[in-house]
Amino acid sequence: EVQLVESGGGLVKPGGSLRLSCAASGFSFSSWGMSWVRQAPGKGLEWVASISSSSGSYIYYADSVKGRFTISRDNAKNSLYLQMNSLRAEDTALYYCAKAGGGLPAGYYFDYWGQGTPVAFSS
Amino acid sequence: DIQMTQSPSSLSASVGDRVTITCRASQGISNYLAWYQQRPGNVPRVLIYAASTLQSGVPSRFSGSGSGTDFTLTISSFQPEDVATYYCQKYQSAPTFGLGTKVEIK
Repeated sequence: EVQLVESGGGLVKPGGSLRLSCAASGFSFSSWGMSWVRQAPGKGLEWVASISSSSGSYIYYADSVKGRFTISRDNAKNSLYLQMNSLRAEDTALYYCAKAGGGLPAGYYFDYWGQGTPVAFSS
Repeated sequence: DIQMTQSPSSLSASVGDRVTITCRASQGISNYLAWYQQRPGNVPRVLIYAASTLQSGVPSRFSGSGSGTDFTLTISSFQPEDVATYYCQKYQSAPTFGLGTKVEIK
């Protein structure tokens, strides 16, 4: 059974940093592209970043996070990461780890999703 | 950037109704289109990919059609468990989701 378990979310001050993690199991992690997708409270889905399979040579970001967020993977640990710097109030959301179901590194669809980890701001 | 426009934004349906949701891309995206269902309080799940391919385990009352710029998700006989918000997503280049269609029971 495919499982994706996110962690690392929490309360942060504007300008702060967080590192999200996603522990994957139940599939050959290194063989699949992975992504982060977020959902602001009461809002729709927004793709954040994607990393290709294997060495993760291909990485793509949404314009809204480019230069502030960094996606990475550790295939030995079956883990996906999202380093988030210079956080803004508009980054408040539930952050989902998602497995690519197909497509190309520049554009995946997602066949498995984690439960999400929340990122919120404290004043 | 290619924009995805879904319609309607919400609808109410009776059990057994045929429900149709449309998604329009601002430029052609071939068949790089997926549909997701997000039940209240739940994680999104993919229903359809490549515009018309049913994901394994998804009931056959769900179907997708279209190519290029115009796409449709159809529920042939609406069931109570289909109450959810439905999103289209293009994956020809940067993934982009539609704003969603909230489907309620009448």
